[in-house]
Formats: sequence, C-alpha cells, structure tokens
Amino acid sequence: GAVVSQHPSWVICKSGTSVKIECRSLDFQATTMFWYRQFPKQSLMLMATSNEGSKATYEQGVEKDKFLINHASLTLSTLTVTSAHPEDSSFYICSARAAAASPETQYFGPGTRLLVL
Amino acid sequence: SQKIEQNSEALNIQEGKTATLTCNYTNYSPAYLQWYRQDPGRGPVFLLLIRENEKEKRKERLKVTFDTTLKQSLFHITASQPADSATYLCALGNNDMRFGAGTRLTVKP
Repeated sequence: GAVVSQHPSWVICKSGTSVKIECRSLDFQATTMFWYRQFPKQSLMLMATSNEGSKATYEQGVEKDKFLINHASLTLSTLTVTSAHPEDSSFYICSARAAAASPETQYFGPGTRLLVL
Repeated sequence: SQKIEQNSEALNIQEGKTATLTCNYTNYSPAYLQWYRQDPGRGPVFLLLIRENEKEKRKERLKVTFDTTLKQSLFHITASQPADSATYLCALGNNDMRFGAGTRLTVKP
C-alpha cells in the first residue's frame, strides 16, 4: 500500500528558531499534499494544500509567512515553521494524494510532534 | 459555518459489545465521508469510506451508515475488543477533507 513518511517524528526547539518538517511519499507520486495541525484532544485542522510545482493554498487564519510550504518534487513536501513560538507546539501531520487519484484518497503520514520551549 | 460534531469525547464499553459512534454535520454537503482510527501520537489510519449516494458500508466487524437527510453518520464496531481502543475520527470531504474532533473509545476486558 501507499506509504507516507515524515521526518523528524519529533523535534524540540528554542523559541525564535525555525524548524523544517519533511513529508515524503515513498512508493507513489503525490501531486497534492496536505498539511494538518492537531492540538491535544482536538481535530486535525487543515493548514494548507500544496500542489507540486505551484504555490500552496493556505486556509483562512494560517499565516503563510510563518508556515512556509514547499512542494518541489512529486515525492517531497516541506513545512517550515519560521520563528517558532511556544504556541506553535503541536502535532503536525501531512497527507498525500497521487496523480489521477480520486479526491477522497489521501494517505497520511505518522505525524511530527513539535515542542517549542 | 461548517460544523462537524462527534457525539462524545469519550466512550467506554465492555468487551464483546457493539460500539456506536456518531458524526453529525451542519452547513456542509460532502460528497463522501470517511472514518479513521488514530492511536496516541500517530497519524490517522483509514478505515472506511462511504459516498453520498450510499446508505451503508461494511468491512469485517465495522459498519458505517450515512444519512444525508439527517446529516449524520453512524460508525459501529461489533464484538469489540480491547485492541479497538483508540480515537476514531470522521472526515467529510469534497476536494479536501474536514475532520471531527474524534471520539476516544475504550473497550474494557
């Protein structure tokens, strides 16, 4: 089956630093990748949708200058949290959809837990 | 605004019983609805998909119903086992997916 990986699985950083999270589709080409954020006991909130080779589309209320998304290849998307602050601490999850796949077919990564001190 | 509500934050049942979880939505017309399982600190794992023109889907001990008039989906786990303990998320979609907050199910031996 389709596998999506994320790296790192967890990261601790100091306030003010930037953190990059990678999302890879291991055995398929992902034309579209999605980034979600999940706070404890809350739902996954869609942050942005990225299509390979084009700019990401951000959901309302998500700062695009703070959460930089790059989808430069069909197997890799990155999310960079710039100048991270403690309120950015959360569980970040990506998902990927293959080319020509139906909209409901998304494969989720295992998530990255970010803790900003 | 769109709302997706899962009936309760937590549900405790005895092993062997049927667990029934509810997902209600408002101001939304999804083309499909999915149920996922999420274990602590892990990403969601897909369980079942049901489309707007389908009433019921089954997979092994799992059954999902979808009532677009009531704007509700029911998710059933029959003959529940302690290993079924997890958080279950419903997700509604058209071109993207929106998730409910989840119901944490605990199956006690």
